[in-house]
Amino acid sequence: AQTVTQSQPEMSVQEAETVTLSCTYDTSENNYYLFWYKQPPSRQMILVIRQEAYKQQNATENRFSVNFQKAAKSFSLKISDSQLGDTAMYFCAFMKQGPRRGQGGSEKLVFGKGTKLTVNP
Amino acid sequence: NAGVMQNPRHLVRRRGQEARLRCSPMKGHSHVYWYRQLPEEGLKFMVYLQKENIIDESGMPKERFSAEFPKEGPSILRIQQVVRGDSAAYFCASSPPSGGFLTDTQYFGPGTRLTVL
Repeated sequence: AQTVTQSQPEMSVQEAETVTLSCTYDTSENNYYLFWYKQPPSRQMILVIRQEAYKQQNATENRFSVNFQKAAKSFSLKISDSQLGDTAMYFCAFMKQGPRRGQGGSEKLVFGKGTKLTVNP
Repeated sequence: NAGVMQNPRHLVRRRGQEARLRCSPMKGHSHVYWYRQLPEEGLKFMVYLQKENIIDESGMPKERFSAEFPKEGPSILRIQQVVRGDSAAYFCASSPPSGGFLTDTQYFGPGTRLTVL
């Protein structure tokens, strides 16, 4: 079974600064996806960034980037130029790439316990 | 294109009552996933359904919990004889048919917050 560990329950950062959130995972799968989701106080789950394990290049989405180290099973999220709206819970998630099914769909997501990020003015 | 809809957003039940949570996937989506988020925890997978079929229910408690996704209408997560430990946020996600290929994309609804008194 896969597990996802986020070792930082809470973090804070000053507005406009950079912060890195840690995530490690354990799996015997070779093909999988990794995600960072954001959950603001509204509790809506918002996809921030995704990474395919077969890609060596780290994913980036505007101010968000990841450091994916497949051998170390590490997947950290870097937020540059932090903004007040970045205040939220951040969850790291894993999805294995299952066998092809004729009807599509996806595999289940396995989430970490989350890191509460506060951006201070 | 409307997103994933869940209702009610908040549900209060007394111990022993039944709770019914509804999820309408995005238009054209035929795959639905239910997750539960206990206080101060991440989301945990419960069940994966396609229309009229349960594909994976490995995360569903064996008793009191059931789920369905009928040919017409929303997916329903049903909890019978609720207990205080069922208090949680229940999220639904959906994914598109993707032409028969697997997709990694799940779109989440806003969740239903269940409180058991």
